[in-house]
Amino acid sequence: AQKVTQAQTEISVVEKEDVTLDCVYETRDTTYYLFWYKQPPSGELVFLIRRNSFDEQNEISGRYSWNFQKSTSSFNFTITASQVVDSAVYFCALSEASNTDKLIFGTGTRLQVFP
Amino acid sequence: DVKVTQSSRYLVKRTGEKVFLECVQDMDHENMFWYRQDPGLGLRLIYFSYDVKMKEKGDIPEGYSVSREKKERFSLILESASTNQTSMYLCASSWASVGTLGEQYFGPGTRLTVT
Repeated sequence: AQKVTQAQTEISVVEKEDVTLDCVYETRDTTYYLFWYKQPPSGELVFLIRRNSFDEQNEISGRYSWNFQKSTSSFNFTITASQVVDSAVYFCALSEASNTDKLIFGTGTRLQVFP
Repeated sequence: DVKVTQSSRYLVKRTGEKVFLECVQDMDHENMFWYRQDPGLGLRLIYFSYDVKMKEKGDIPEGYSVSREKKERFSLILESASTNQTSMYLCASSWASVGTLGEQYFGPGTRLTVT
């Protein structure tokens, strides 16, 4: 069965620290898509990245980077030099090729960055 | 910019009342979704619709119904609200086959309290 696990419920860091949010997924499909969303205090989930299962290259976007490893079924998200504005709940999600209209979300990780 | 709007940010209803939550998107998306977000449980899909008048049950449809009479509008209905339906409700929309084509776009959420 498909599942997304975010074992870290809450993480607190001080500004400028690096932080990694873990995401482990389960799926029987060989073709699938992985997502990260950010939910700031305003409540609206904001899309950060989408990755397909055939592309294991790591991705970097400014202070954000993503490490996709099929061998461990993980899609981890690292924020370098964290800032207070990074404080949010972050969700990892999975979409399978057999049903690409639906996203399966993890339970989320609340990140608090203190000044 | 894609815009998904929800009729209310906060709503307080009494047990047994009929509750309507409205969602409107302006990007001509085929798909629309209703999620429920609870602490420790992440986002759970209630219903989704892939076309006008079409709907599919999600993971937790019990106690809810939906209506999609126009492409841009998707309504969630609580026929007889109960206290265990107190939650944050998020609406989203996407192009068909979200996994292959992109992400879901979310509204700001409606925090419903049933007393």
